[in-house]
Amino acid sequence: QSALTQPPSASGSPGQSVTISCTGTSSDVGAYDAVSWYQQHPGKAPKLMIYEVIKRPSGVPDRFSGSKSGNTASLTVSGLQGEDEADYYCSSYTGSNTFLVFGGGTKLTVL
Amino acid sequence: QVQLRQSGPGLVQPSQTLSLTCAISGDSVSTTSTAWNWVRQSPSRGLEWLGRTHYKSNFYHDYAISVKSRITVSPDTSKNQFSLQLNSVTPEDTAVYYCTRGYLQGGFDSWGQGTLVTVSS
Repeated sequence: QSALTQPPSASGSPGQSVTISCTGTSSDVGAYDAVSWYQQHPGKAPKLMIYEVIKRPSGVPDRFSGSKSGNTASLTVSGLQGEDEADYYCSSYTGSNTFLVFGGGTKLTVL
Repeated sequence: QVQLRQSGPGLVQPSQTLSLTCAISGDSVSTTSTAWNWVRQSPSRGLEWLGRTHYKSNFYHDYAISVKSRITVSPDTSKNQFSLQLNSVTPEDTAVYYCTRGYLQGGFDSWGQGTLVTVSS
């Protein structure tokens, strides 16, 4: 059982927007602005899409955005494209011996 | 552009030691602004952070509680690389292992190619 809770699946049509949630606790997501999001295509390593809740690494399209409210972080993908179909994982710094925890992942399907 | 290249065996016998190395190009294992991590992924455990090394006048190490008694992450400044040793492995340690570069509060921006390590006799 993962420390952060994500819905197992999400879907949307091309051009639409979809939001994936990541729920933690007041000890991780709620305590630090240190939530990251990763995209993973089959057989590939995860790719960092968002870090520190809202920041995008260079090269990541601005269709990807992050936010946080209380103990829940969210990743929004706007203007869905076929290449966005992948698994998405969140993670959060915990500031303790655990250091960092991941979510169980969400499979995003572009209909 | 940072590149991480992993090496090490894909098959380890139960009770033995899993050893992997991650060679860094485009950055330094002695940088003070980031940390060098090991992360694994399996169908049963999902993504799991294992440990890291980071430099700030000295090298420091942090380990996940789940493996703390069995893990060592070591930097090698002469070769600009870092390594993972996981002792007393069981079939539950079977996973794809990744080395990563990360911000100090998480956020892994560069990943190695991944190594599938199977623990089996």
